[in-house]
Amino acid sequence: GNSVTQMEGPVTLSEEAFLTINCTYTATGYPSLFWYVQYPGEGLQLLLKATKADDKGSNKGFEATYRKETTSFHLEKGSVQVSDSAVYFCALSDSTGNQFYFGTGTSLTVIP
Amino acid sequence: KAGVTQTPRYLIKTRGQQVTLSCSPISGHRSVSWYQQTPGQGLQFLFEYFSETQRNKGNFPGRFSGRQFSNSRSEMNVSTLELGDSALYLCASSLAGRGSSPLHFGNGTRLTVT
Repeated sequence: GNSVTQMEGPVTLSEEAFLTINCTYTATGYPSLFWYVQYPGEGLQLLLKATKADDKGSNKGFEATYRKETTSFHLEKGSVQVSDSAVYFCALSDSTGNQFYFGTGTSLTVIP
Repeated sequence: KAGVTQTPRYLIKTRGQQVTLSCSPISGHRSVSWYQQTPGQGLQFLFEYFSETQRNKGNFPGRFSGRQFSNSRSEMNVSTLELGDSALYLCASSLAGRGSSPLHFGNGTRLTVT
């Protein structure tokens, strides 16, 4: 079956530090992969996506590369800001199902 | 383009009551999904509707039901509320609800059952 595994949080970083949030997946077929971000009191917002192997999704300084050989989609940012404090969710969707599969979320706090 | 709108934002109900939550998707989106979010369980998939038909259902009891109207708006109903139903309920719309078509979420309805 399909599943997503995310690194456990919470993660606390100083401003301008490098961020990595690990995500690995199990899927049948060829899934599309997504990162979502949730700010307090809000729903999830799409951060970036990649739809095939070796694709790199990027947005607002965040990047993630679809690695089929390691079944991974790790989220990275070179220099985090206080405003990046939020919960980050990795997700997959395959082309045959009608359901998205989400990781458990990783809480990030960036301190000045 | 307006985003996904969920109403109401907050609800307080007592055990045994029923509740109806509403979701208006992004214009042109035919797929609407519902999720329950709690601190302990994370995001749990409830069901997905596409063109008024339920295409997929998560592992929730029959007290949780939904429907979709011809204009793609969706409602979710929970009957005989239990304390454990307290959660943030998120609605998401999508063009296709699968594959590379991403979900677009509303801000949720916070349900508190006392």
